[in-house]
Amino acid sequence: ELKVEQNPLFLSMQEGKNYTIYCNYSTTSDRLYWYRQDPGKSLESLFVLLSNGAVKQEGRLMASLDTKARLSTLHITAAVHDLSATYFCAVDRETSGSRLTFGEGTQLTVNP
Amino acid sequence: GAGVSQSPSNKVTEKGKDVELRCDPISGHTALYWYRQSLGQGLEFLIYFQGNSAPDKSGLPSDRFSAERTGGSVSTLTIQRTQQEDSAVYLCASSPWGRSTYEQYFGPGTRLTVT
Repeated sequence: ELKVEQNPLFLSMQEGKNYTIYCNYSTTSDRLYWYRQDPGKSLESLFVLLSNGAVKQEGRLMASLDTKARLSTLHITAAVHDLSATYFCAVDRETSGSRLTFGEGTQLTVNP
Repeated sequence: GAGVSQSPSNKVTEKGKDVELRCDPISGHTALYWYRQSLGQGLEFLIYFQGNSAPDKSGLPSDRFSAERTGGSVSTLTIQRTQQEDSAVYLCASSPWGRSTYEQYFGPGTRLTVT
C-alpha cells in the first residue's frame, strides 16, 4: 500500500524566514505533486516533479525530488503572509490509473 | 478556459436521504477522479474514470456509493441512505490523459453535511 507522510503537519513561521516541508512516500511512484489549499477552497497545483533530481521553482517556493530516498521537499524562501495555506504533496502510479495518494497536509501560517 | 465545475457547492441533507453530486470536467479531459476530504481521513481517492468506464472503484467506502460518467464528460456521484460519516467535501478532478504531465485539475468541491 502506498503511503505518503508529510512533516511538519503544522508550521508557524515569521515573515522573512526560510523553512522546508518534507514529503516521504513508501513505494516507487511515477510522479510527485505539490498542491496548495486555502481555507474553504479547492486544490491549486504548484509543481509536478517527474524524475529523480527534478527541481522546480516558482517565486518563493522551490520543490525537489529524490526518488532514491523517496523524498520530496518544498522549500520556502523569505516567507510572506500570502503563503499561509495548507500544502499537500501527492504521488501517483500509472499502474493505478494515476490516482493520487495524498499526504496529511502541512498547515503553514506566516506571521507578520 | 473553463475549469472543473461542481454542483451544488453546498448540500445539507437528512440522514437516510439520497444525494447526487455533479462534476463537469475540463473539455477534452478523458480522465476524471473523485476524492473526498474529511477532517478525520484527509484526502481520499474514491473512483477513477477513463472515458465512460471506471477501471478503479476501489476507493468507494461502501455499496451506498456509486458513480457514473456519460458521454465521456459529466459525472455524477450518488450516495444512497446518507450517514453522518459521509459528511465531507467531495472533490472532482480531471486530467488530459495521454499528455506528459498527467496533472489533475481540481474543481471547487461540494460540501456535504448530513444531519
